Amino acid sequence: AQSVTQPDIHITVSEGASLELRCNYSYGATPYLFWYVQSPGQGLQLLLKYFSGDTLVQGIKGFEAEFKRSQSSFNLRKPSVHWSDAAEYFCAVASGGATNKLIFGTGTLLAVQP
Amino acid sequence: DVKVTQSSRYLVKRTGEKVFLECVQDMDHENMFWYRQDPGLGLRLIYFSYDVKMKEKGDIPEGYSVSREKKERFSLILESASTNQTSMYLCASSSITGSTGFYEQYFGPGTRLTVT
Repeated sequence: AQSVTQPDIHITVSEGASLELRCNYSYGATPYLFWYVQSPGQGLQLLLKYFSGDTLVQGIKGFEAEFKRSQSSFNLRKPSVHWSDAAEYFCAVASGGATNKLIFGTGTLLAVQP
Repeated sequence: DVKVTQSSRYLVKRTGEKVFLECVQDMDHENMFWYRQDPGLGLRLIYFSYDVKMKEKGDIPEGYSVSREKKERFSLILESASTNQTSMYLCASSSITGSTGFYEQYFGPGTRLTVT
């Protein structure tokens, strides 16, 4: 069965530092992968997605993610974090078929220190 | 922009009450979803619907039912609310075609339900 693992529950970084959030997936075929962000008290907003092609995907708010098939990973990165990036981040994989369902990881809560 | 709205941001109900959570999307999406979100558990799918009057159970359907009488509206029903249903409930919708991309889901702001 498909699954998504986000090994880091909480991460704290200093403002201006680089960021990498880890995501590992389990899926038999080529996966459709997503990163969502949830600001406090808000719904989820799509940051970026990978369907095929170039394995380095650019998203909104200066985020990017790299798909590595050999490592079953889809890590999210940002070169310089801003205080407004403090939020919870969810990685997701499409479950396949025609159902259009997503399977989410448990999330990583990012805190940004001044 | 796609807009998904939920009827309430915060809701407090008593044990045993029947609870309705409403979700409306304005982009003519075929698919609609209800999730619950709990700390440390991520988002878990309760039910989804791929067409009017069509529904399928997700991973945690027990204690919930849904209704989709119109394409833009998807309701989650707690027949008899219990304290273990205290949670954040998120609605989402997606299209199966078009420029938004297959599988991309758009989320509402969520309803934080407390059952006392």
